[in-house]
Amino acid sequence: GQQVMQIPQYQHVQEGEDFTTYCNSSTTLSNIQWYKQRPGGHPVFLIQLVKSGEVKKQKRLTFQFGEAKKNSSLHITATQTTDVGTYFCAGRGAGSYQLTFGKGTKLSVIP
Amino acid sequence: DTAVSQTPKYLVTQMGNDKSIKCEQNLGHDTMYWYKQDSKKFLKIMFSYNNKELIINETVPNRFSPKSPDKAHLNLHINSLELGDSAVYFCASSQDHWETYNSPLHFGNGTRLTVT
Repeated sequence: GQQVMQIPQYQHVQEGEDFTTYCNSSTTLSNIQWYKQRPGGHPVFLIQLVKSGEVKKQKRLTFQFGEAKKNSSLHITATQTTDVGTYFCAGRGAGSYQLTFGKGTKLSVIP
Repeated sequence: DTAVSQTPKYLVTQMGNDKSIKCEQNLGHDTMYWYKQDSKKFLKIMFSYNNKELIINETVPNRFSPKSPDKAHLNLHINSLELGDSAVYFCASSQDHWETYNSPLHFGNGTRLTVT
């Protein structure tokens, strides 16, 4: 079945440093979504990427979808303590309705 | 408030008991889901219903039985609870239907199940 690998599993950064999490799929994806889960909270949708090579920005967050539509990344510039949480990518295989989540990257920001 | 709401928020019970978790969404979505999040935060799909019809049924023990009385509700009943069932269970909904599956998921706040 479809697998979505996400690295790193954990990342500790000093406030103000940048952060990147990477997602790789074993199969071509029709789209990829990113979610953020704050400690003790529930996953909240951030963004969806659909097109090959697509890049989207939300303030300090930059999301990329690879040319082959098999990988994606989330980059946060100048992290803040409010960025703390676990970031999940979730991908759908081409022609599939099932959304498969990566294992998440837990971000800790040291003030 | 428009939302996905699930009850109870916490559930502590003994091995062997039967329990249910309820979920309701008032977003008008067609598809609802149950996800299990283990202690390592891994989110795993359990079931998905589209307009009351089961469309995803992952390898989940038969002790877990979902029920969707209408497209706004998806409940989860668990028989003969085991220690390994301890986890956070999230209900979610999306506007997906058969032709297009590209809508974001809206998650409930989760039910933390502890089996002792």
